[in-house]
Amino acid sequence: AQSVTQLGSHVSVSEGALVLLRCNYSSSVPPYLFWYVQYPNQGLQLLLKYTTGATLVKGINGFEAEFKKSETSFHLTKPSAHMSDAAEYFCAVSDIEGANNLFFGTGTRLTVIP
Amino acid sequence: GAVVSQHPSRVICKSGTSVKIECRSLDFQATTMFWYRQFPKQSLMLMATSNEGSKATYEQGVEKDKFLINHASLTLSTLTVTSAHPEDSSFYICSVRMSGTGYTFGSGTRLTVV
Repeated sequence: AQSVTQLGSHVSVSEGALVLLRCNYSSSVPPYLFWYVQYPNQGLQLLLKYTTGATLVKGINGFEAEFKKSETSFHLTKPSAHMSDAAEYFCAVSDIEGANNLFFGTGTRLTVIP
Repeated sequence: GAVVSQHPSRVICKSGTSVKIECRSLDFQATTMFWYRQFPKQSLMLMATSNEGSKATYEQGVEKDKFLINHASLTLSTLTVTSAHPEDSSFYICSVRMSGTGYTFGSGTRLTVV
């Protein structure tokens, strides 16, 4: 079975500061990991994903995440926050790409302070 | 990647009435579509897997007679909330999965039952 834990339901950072959103997963098999962003009243948009290969994954809008198997983590980072980054971020795990389900974390709301 | 169109984006209905939500895959023939529900301040929860030409597969705890899913073509799946009640008010999102590119989500439908 798979599950995701996102530490911190709400994170606030100053504009220009580092963004770090935490995600830990549980999976009995090698995981596929995803980060999605949801702007108010909109659907989810894929930021980045890890399937196989390089453990540091770069996504859109300057975000990146590193898969650390030893820590069962897939934290999302961005060196410098922009006001436009304010949104809800969801981490998700799937066991294999052919699986029909994603298991989502409860989300982290990012607030960017001017 | 796939483009998924969801309609309507917002709907307000009276208690006891039924509401139909459409999910269209605009450039991809989707044999499988997924329906999620998101309650306020909570993560997405998979409701059902919609299969073209056959019955949908519902997750545990989801009433199939209340949430009717029809996937009559490779580009259209519909979710009908029957006899809606205020507790059905939520954000409903559909998605399709393409091998190699992950999931693409619709923009969601905010249902308010009054």
